[in-house]
Amino acid sequence: SQQGEEDPQALSIQEGENATMNCSYKTSINNLQWYRQNSGRGLVHLILIRSNEREKHSGRLRVTLDTSKKSSSLLITASRAADTASYFCATDNSRQLTFGSGTQLTVLP
Amino acid sequence: NAGVMQNPRHLVRRRGQEARLRCSPMKGHSHVYWYRQLPEEGLKFMVYLQKENIIDESGMPKERFSAEFPKEGPSILRIQQVVRGDSAAYFCASSPVWGDTQYFGPGTRLTVL
Repeated sequence: SQQGEEDPQALSIQEGENATMNCSYKTSINNLQWYRQNSGRGLVHLILIRSNEREKHSGRLRVTLDTSKKSSSLLITASRAADTASYFCATDNSRQLTFGSGTQLTVLP
Repeated sequence: NAGVMQNPRHLVRRRGQEARLRCSPMKGHSHVYWYRQLPEEGLKFMVYLQKENIIDESGMPKERFSAEFPKEGPSILRIQQVVRGDSAAYFCASSPVWGDTQYFGPGTRLTVL
């Protein structure tokens, strides 16, 4: 079964708006990572948040982690058309990453 | 510092042939991971290797698939007697130490005719 599950599966917003994606997982983790994938391309690492951290920022990205609820969220502020991509959360048990099925974000100009 | 490199980027094979996918990790990285992505799905872990050792192969199919990471040279994912169901994108990732961020290559897209 999937460890990480993203919600929603697809999200369409206007340029300038904020986009929030959620991820839930089942077992304990060492860290949780968010990746972006443009259509037909490889994965780009966005941010890693460790199990003892609650919030992390990187540019327009903000990630939260709630280990009691086994959930994480990725917020992209002031979205741009170039942010259009699939976004995956991946839980890390230090041997492997377990990916969810992703959220397809479309940012309309 | 070059990123993770994979080749070929695209590979077409007929059923029954062998596919060899290569991955060169980032400089200084001795941990390599292979993942498979089917269309419209997330990545699925296949195998985790360190130099000359397989650490975790819990995601590898029991037959036809093998992986190695020799002391010298790239990591190789080998698929023997390919079938149509093997068509997918295969991604390699590397990390400098155990439990650190994994950096992904551009992937090899395998098409089995």
